[in-house]
Amino acid sequence: GAVVSQHPSRVICKSGTSVKIECRSLDFQATTMFWYRQFPKQSLMLMATSNEGSKATYEQGVEKDKFLINHASLTLSTLTVTSAHPEDSSFYICRVTSGGPPDTQYFGPGTRLTVL
Amino acid sequence: KNEVEQSPQNLTAQEGEFITINCSYSVGISALHWLQQHPGGGIVSLFMLSSGKKKHGRLIATINIQEKHSSLHITASHPRDSAVYICAVETSGSRLTFGEGTQLTVNP
Repeated sequence: GAVVSQHPSRVICKSGTSVKIECRSLDFQATTMFWYRQFPKQSLMLMATSNEGSKATYEQGVEKDKFLINHASLTLSTLTVTSAHPEDSSFYICRVTSGGPPDTQYFGPGTRLTVL
Repeated sequence: KNEVEQSPQNLTAQEGEFITINCSYSVGISALHWLQQHPGGGIVSLFMLSSGKKKHGRLIATINIQEKHSSLHITASHPRDSAVYICAVETSGSRLTFGEGTQLTVNP
């Protein structure tokens, strides 16, 4: 079964609204969670890295006030897209590592965001 | 020039064919990952390599650290193998840099 879940899987919202995306690790403690964005036909681009209990580290060009990341527990990280605009429409996916043995990393199933 | 380059970008094969996807990278890495992304977007980790060769079922992945090159092979390909295959290199802090992917279509 899935070890990382994302919710919602798909969301359509109006321009100007905020959308929260959750990423949960189901079977292990996630020391680090990575948030990626993927536009059609393009590769995944890292947005930010979050460690439990500390502030997220954002990649250059990613607005931290627009993409709020909270990693409040070892099993949950949230990405909030604030005041979403059509150009924010994309596929958002989280990746989780446990800091344990090699190969212990999993991707969430992704969230398809469409901003009208 | 991208840090991770894959070839080919698109690949169409007939069922049963042997398939090879190549990945070259230009940075120092701690590991290389091969990932599979299905049309719905979900990503599955196929292999993580730091040296040599790994095999899982019909999939084989190899890496040559000196040449900074890796290959993913699929033997006896099947239509259900149709997906995007992505090479990603891992650097410090478990950070991944992704290739642009190879769209594989296997026809029956």
